[in-house]
Amino acid sequence: EPEVTQTPSHQVTQMGQEVILRCVPISNHLYFYWYRQILGQKVEFLVSFYNNEISEKSEIFDDQFSVERPDGSNFTLKIRSTKLEDSAMYFCASRVGAGESDTQYFGPGTRLTVL
Amino acid sequence: GEDVEQSLFLSVREGDSSVINCTYTDSSSTYLYWYKQEPGAGLQLLTYIFSNMDMKQDQRLTVLLNKKDKHLSLRIADTQTGDSAIYFCAEKKGRGSTLGRLYFGRGTQLTVWP
Repeated sequence: EPEVTQTPSHQVTQMGQEVILRCVPISNHLYFYWYRQILGQKVEFLVSFYNNEISEKSEIFDDQFSVERPDGSNFTLKIRSTKLEDSAMYFCASRVGAGESDTQYFGPGTRLTVL
Repeated sequence: GEDVEQSLFLSVREGDSSVINCTYTDSSSTYLYWYKQEPGAGLQLLTYIFSNMDMKQDQRLTVLLNKKDKHLSLRIADTQTGDSAIYFCAEKKGRGSTLGRLYFGRGTQLTVWP
């Protein structure tokens, strides 16, 4: 069964450094998402992406964040200058279409630790 | 206030039924979902229900939706130790639909005792 994959599974970085989290969505999916989950808290929406542009972003997704689909398979989340409070599990998700019944399938997540 | 609320913990004995509850606030929500998260793993879609349904059954899982009270529940029959995980309720809002953004609760940690 096709799966969303994410790399790395764990990323440790120093505050102020740039990180790129990578995702490979399910191949025929058209809609892509990033969510994050700070330890012990709820899963929060960051951004949705369709047709090579951002569809919606939350208040968390400030100028330090960017997303890109550099080729036909990868979907990346870049954090330009990481802060301690960026430490979280980051989940990528994808969805085949925009129909109401289309569900989102999540990857296993990347745990980002900012020191 | 919170969009989606869940109790944080539930403990049951193996073989018993588990009922995980969730309340949401947006009456225009179109779909409601249950995701399961095992330790160190991602979010696995368990089941979902469309807002015009009252109940959906899928093997050991039964989802009940009370749209009037904006209350969703997930019942797991014959709970097994392998069901121990965090269960997240999520809603997809209908008003000004935003291409599928999901709103999650904090998750309910289900612990199953042998």
